[in-house]
Amino acid sequence: GAVVSQHPSRVICKSGTSVKIECRSLDFQATTMFWYRQFPKQSLMLMATSNEGSKATYEQGVEKDKFLINHASLTLSTLTVTSAHPEDSSFYICSPREGGSTDTQYFGPGTRLTVL
Amino acid sequence: TQLLEQSPQFLSIQEGENLTVYCNSSSVFSSLQWYRQEPGEGPVLLVTVVTGGEVKKLKRLTFQFGDARKDSSLHITAAQPGDTGLYLCAGSKKTSYDKVIFGPGTSLSVIP
Repeated sequence: GAVVSQHPSRVICKSGTSVKIECRSLDFQATTMFWYRQFPKQSLMLMATSNEGSKATYEQGVEKDKFLINHASLTLSTLTVTSAHPEDSSFYICSPREGGSTDTQYFGPGTRLTVL
Repeated sequence: TQLLEQSPQFLSIQEGENLTVYCNSSSVFSSLQWYRQEPGEGPVLLVTVVTGGEVKKLKRLTFQFGDARKDSSLHITAAQPGDTGLYLCAGSKKTSYDKVIFGPGTSLSVIP
C-alpha cells in the first residue's frame, strides 16, 4: 500500500500555544486531503477536506480559524491547531487520496496531541 | 445524527469462536469500506465493496454488502487474539469530494 507519514507522532504542548502537524504522501500525489480527529474509544470524525491549492472545506462545528489547513503541494499538507486548549487533545489523522472517488483513501499513522 | 451505525459496539469472545459485526445506514453508499485500527495507529483498509450483494473473502474474514447498498457485515471465523482491534465501517457517497464517513466502530477483544 501507499506510504503516508505524519510528524510529529506525539506532541505535548502548553495551553495557548500553536501546534503544526505535517502529513506527507511519500509515493503518490495527493490531490485531496482529509483530516480526521479521534477521541479515545471513539470513531474518526472528519474535520475538513482540501484539494491541492484550494481552501479547505470544514465540517459543521469545526472552527476554520482554529484548525488551519494548508495543502500547498501534492505531497504535503499541514494542520495547525492554533491557541490549543486541553479540549483539543486528541488523535489527529490525515488521509490523502490520489485522485477521484474510485481511488483508495490512505491513512497516516496519526498524531497524538496532548494540551496541558 | 450518525450516518452509519455499527453493532455491537463492544465484543469480547474466546479464541476460536465466530463473530459477526454489522454496519447499517438509512442512506445508500456508492462504496463501503472496512478498516481495522489498533491503539495509537491509523486505520488500515481491509476491504472495499461497491456492488450490492457483493461478498468478499479475506482469509478468515468474510465481508458482505447489502443488496440495497445501505448495510454491510463482517464475519470472522475462528477468531484469534491477533484479530483484536477496533473495526470501523466507512461509507463514501456521491457528494462533493466523495468524502469517507466512519461508523462508530466495534471494539473486538479475542481472549486466548
